[in-house]
Amino acid sequence: SQELEQSPQSLIVQEGKNLTINCTSSKTLYGLYWYKQKYGEGLIFLMMLQKGGEEKSHEKITAKLDEKKQQSSLHITASQPSHAGIYLCGADGSGNTGKLIFGQGTTLQVKP
Amino acid sequence: GAVVSQHPSRVICKSGTSVKIECRSLDFQATTMFWYRQFPKQSLMLMATSNEGSKATYEQGVEKDKFLINHASLTLSTLTVTSAHPEDSSFYICSARGSSGNTIYFGEGSWLTVV
Repeated sequence: SQELEQSPQSLIVQEGKNLTINCTSSKTLYGLYWYKQKYGEGLIFLMMLQKGGEEKSHEKITAKLDEKKQQSSLHITASQPSHAGIYLCGADGSGNTGKLIFGQGTTLQVKP
Repeated sequence: GAVVSQHPSRVICKSGTSVKIECRSLDFQATTMFWYRQFPKQSLMLMATSNEGSKATYEQGVEKDKFLINHASLTLSTLTVTSAHPEDSSFYICSARGSSGNTIYFGEGSWLTVV
């Protein structure tokens, strides 16, 4: 079965700093989703990547999928306290079924 | 954009009783929805796939008689936790694929506490 590993597990950065979160899959990724969650709340959709080498941006967040489609990175530029939360990567392991397998999450704290 | 809504957001029930959680797609039809469970400080674990008009498909280790799933319409799936026990206390969250097919939206989640 497919497994996703996120790194780092937790991250504390000073406001204004850049940061990167990685998501590595044990198998080829057919669809890679990034979400943000506040503990105990729903998941906010950030981006979805499908094609090798694909890169998408939304405001100060950029996500990339490598050419081999086994690793994705999420990069936040000039972090703000509003970026704090848990970032989750999810993979559609069986190929476009909608069933997502998640990484363990990365908890981000941004110090003002 | 597409929105998935869950109700109730929080529920407390007594041991031995059953509790129902609803998941609705508000502005799109969802033939398939998914139910997840999240333990404190852990990631989401897929419980089952809810299929409109047919039986749900459960992941290995999930008791289908305990977690009853009904997907009676294209916009509503329900999860009923039967004969609830304190160990069933958890955060339950559903998801549905948007009409474009490229986005999977999640509900706000439901906190269940069994006392």
